[in-house]
This record gives sequence, structure tokens and C-alpha cells, in this order.
Amino acid sequence: GQQLNQSPQSMFIQEGEDVSMNCTSSSIFNTWLWYKQEPGEGPVLLIALYKAGELTSNGRLTAQFGITRKDSFLNISASIPSDVGIYFCAGLTDSWGKLQFGAGTQVVVTP
Amino acid sequence: SQTIHQWPATLVQPVGSPLSLECTVEGTSNPNLYWYRQAAGRGLQLLFYSVGIGQISSEVPQNLSASRPQDRQFILSSKKLLLSDSGFYLCALGLGSSYNEQFFGPGTRLTVL
Repeated sequence: GQQLNQSPQSMFIQEGEDVSMNCTSSSIFNTWLWYKQEPGEGPVLLIALYKAGELTSNGRLTAQFGITRKDSFLNISASIPSDVGIYFCAGLTDSWGKLQFGAGTQVVVTP
Repeated sequence: SQTIHQWPATLVQPVGSPLSLECTVEGTSNPNLYWYRQAAGRGLQLLFYSVGIGQISSEVPQNLSASRPQDRQFILSSKKLLLSDSGFYLCALGLGSSYNEQFFGPGTRLTVL
């Protein structure tokens, strides 16, 4: 079956630094979604990407849908303490809305 | 805008006991609904999805079942819980073309002892 490889698994960064993470797949996706999850809560949708090559921003977050449709990346610029959490990529596998999730990238921001 | 409610927020159950988790949504009609399980804070796995009342598709063989008795209600059940059923259960709502935007509820933390 399809597998999403998300890296890095974790990142320890200083406040103000930029963060970059990515997801790759052996299969093509039609949609990439990026979520953030804080402890004990459900994931929150950050950015949705619908077209190959698409670059979308949401505040300090920027995500891109890879040209091959097999990868996506998420950048966080000028990190702040509230950026702490686990970031997940997800690819849409079919028209029923079934998502395949990456294993997550845990971001820790130190002052 | 849509709202997703999950009940209860936390649950501790003994092995072999039954389970019923409820998800209700507001602010939309005829949504696609999904149950996911998350183990150890990482990796969401799709368990069930539903495209309408009484319509359930199972993604993985398991000890759980799902039902959708009303348009905006999705229930996750088990007759006898196993230790391996412990985890964080998330209900999600799919919107948009091909349901390509999914929003998650607050989750239920289940611990089976």
C-alpha cells in the first residue's frame, strides 16, 4: 500500500529560526494537507494543496505541492514558542476523502 | 462553520467491557465522516468512513465497529475491548471536492486496563 515518509521525526530549534519538513510518497496524491496537533487535542488543518507545483502560505507557514505529486514540504519562518507541536502531512488517496498520514514531525522551540 | 463534538473526552475501561464513542457534527449536512485511531501521539490510522446514514466502510480488520444512525452522528463501538484498543480516537468531517478538506474533532482518549 501507499506509504508516506515524513522527515525529520523531530526538530529542536531556537526561537526565531526557520523550520522545514517534508513528506515523500511512492505514489501520487491529488491533495496534500498539513496539520498541527498539540497534546491532547485533535489535529488542526493548516494548509491544503490541490495542484502540482502549488505554493501556499498561511501567515508564517508556507507549503508546496511537489511537481511529481509524490512529495510536499512545509516551512515555518521565524519560529515562536507557540509553534511547538507535532506537524503531520496527509495525502488524499481517493474521491472518498481517505487520508494517508505521515508519522509526524515533533517541533520543539526553545527561547 | 462546522463543529465536531466527541464524547466522552477520556475513558478508562477494563478489558472485555463494551465501548461506545460518539461523534456529532454541526453546521453541515450530509457530510462524509471518519474515525481515526492514533497510538502514542503519532500516526493516525483510518478505521472507518461513512458517506451517509447506515453506510459504513471498514479500512482495517479489528475489534471495533461503527454505525451512523443519523446524518450528523457517528458512533464507534466494541462488544469486548482488548488492551490493544487503547489510543486516541478522532472523528473527522470531510468537506469540499472529493472531501479534500478534513477537520478533526477534539478526540477521545481511551485506556483499556
